[in-house]
Amino acid sequence: DSGVTQTPKHLITATGQRVTLRCSPRSGDLSVYWYQQSLDQGLQFLIQYYNGEERAKGNILERFSAQQFPDLHSELNLSSLELGDSALYFCASSPWTGGNEQFFGPGTRLTVL
Amino acid sequence: GDSVTQMEGPVTLSEEAFLTINCTYTATGYPSLFWYVQYPGEGLQLLLKATKADDKGSNKGFEATYRKETTSFHLEKGSVQVSDSAVYFCALSDSISGSARQLTFGSGTQLTVLP
Repeated sequence: DSGVTQTPKHLITATGQRVTLRCSPRSGDLSVYWYQQSLDQGLQFLIQYYNGEERAKGNILERFSAQQFPDLHSELNLSSLELGDSALYFCASSPWTGGNEQFFGPGTRLTVL
Repeated sequence: GDSVTQMEGPVTLSEEAFLTINCTYTATGYPSLFWYVQYPGEGLQLLLKATKADDKGSNKGFEATYRKETTSFHLEKGSVQVSDSAVYFCALSDSISGSARQLTFGSGTQLTVLP
């Protein structure tokens, strides 16, 4: 158990809908990263937050957004969902923004029908 | 940009066989290198890491050496077990990215160990 929790574990929804994925980092970790794992794209970095502020953006679509709250949990919002958004979404945390080691949550499997 | 190239899978071995999974990288700075493992239905777990050239990371019988001259970080294990069956990901984190150290992953290698 990495100490990173993600909810829900599974999410099934329809095209055009909006969903929110939630992540709680390890106790004391200030940095949260979001990754997408899909069959065709592999594991891709989406976005990073550090202590409530956005620090880096990767291959994140404009339809997607994220935030980190004062209690350090983070949410990834996916809107106008398309079939191709079906993937496993992982959250990871590390103690500080330059931390080498990232601890991953169990992921949320999103299925868009 | 940064990239990681991993040996194509799947790899199927008999128990107690020797394992090598090749990994090479391209990075603009001085990356840290990692191997992560993903067991079925689970998230990624850090297996080992190396932060500078010639460092050797090791854990649970797995080893990998950071080779700057060949830009490689091959994963090895002398005697695999059935319980090692999983997907293995090579990854890097580049200091040139600044303070944000997102991971760049390879495509993953599926390992199946048969009894």
